Amino acid sequence: GNSVTQMEGPVTLSEEAFLTINCTYTATGYPSLFWYVQYPGEGLQLLLKATKADDKGSNKGFEATYRKETTSFHLEKGSVQVSDSAVYFCALTQGGSEKLVFGKGTKLTVNP
Amino acid sequence: DGGITQSPKYLFRKEGQNVTLSCEQNLNHDAMYWYRQDPGQGLRLIYYSQIVNDFQKGDIAEGYSVSREKKESFPLTVTSAQKNPTAFYLCASSLGLARRDEQFFGPGTRLTVL
Repeated sequence: GNSVTQMEGPVTLSEEAFLTINCTYTATGYPSLFWYVQYPGEGLQLLLKATKADDKGSNKGFEATYRKETTSFHLEKGSVQVSDSAVYFCALTQGGSEKLVFGKGTKLTVNP
Repeated sequence: DGGITQSPKYLFRKEGQNVTLSCEQNLNHDAMYWYRQDPGQGLRLIYYSQIVNDFQKGDIAEGYSVSREKKESFPLTVTSAQKNPTAFYLCASSLGLARRDEQFFGPGTRLTVL
């Protein structure tokens, strides 16, 4: 079945450091790929998405490129801020619906 | 403002009692979803509905029930048959009809069984 694997956390960085959170997937067909962010005690918010191979999603300085050849959708940011501290989820749609399959999440802590 | 509301934010239940979690959306979305979140396990799909008066089981439906009588509302009942109900519950909605669009999430309800 479809699945998402993302790097285990927690990840702790200093402010202005470079961030990479790895995400790989297994899926039949051509899923859409998403990164969601969850701040403490809140629901999930869409951070960025890509719907076809080689698409690059970007938002708030974060980027991820849909790589079909490596089945990956790694999240990157060049300079993290304390306010980026949150849990990040990689996800994909499965089948002909908008049902999401989530990775287990990666907790990021950014220290000043 | 359009969005998804969940109530209550915190809910306490005695063991053996049923409890219903509310989810309302004013985004005019066809599809709605319920997820359960446990530490270190990500989100797992409980039930989903692609249209009014229709719903399907997700990956962990045992011990839960839902209804979809109105497009705007998708309440989740946690029954006494659910063995480990303490968790954070998230409701979401999307355009549906296989448009492959994003899901929008509510703020969640934290359920604690005493």
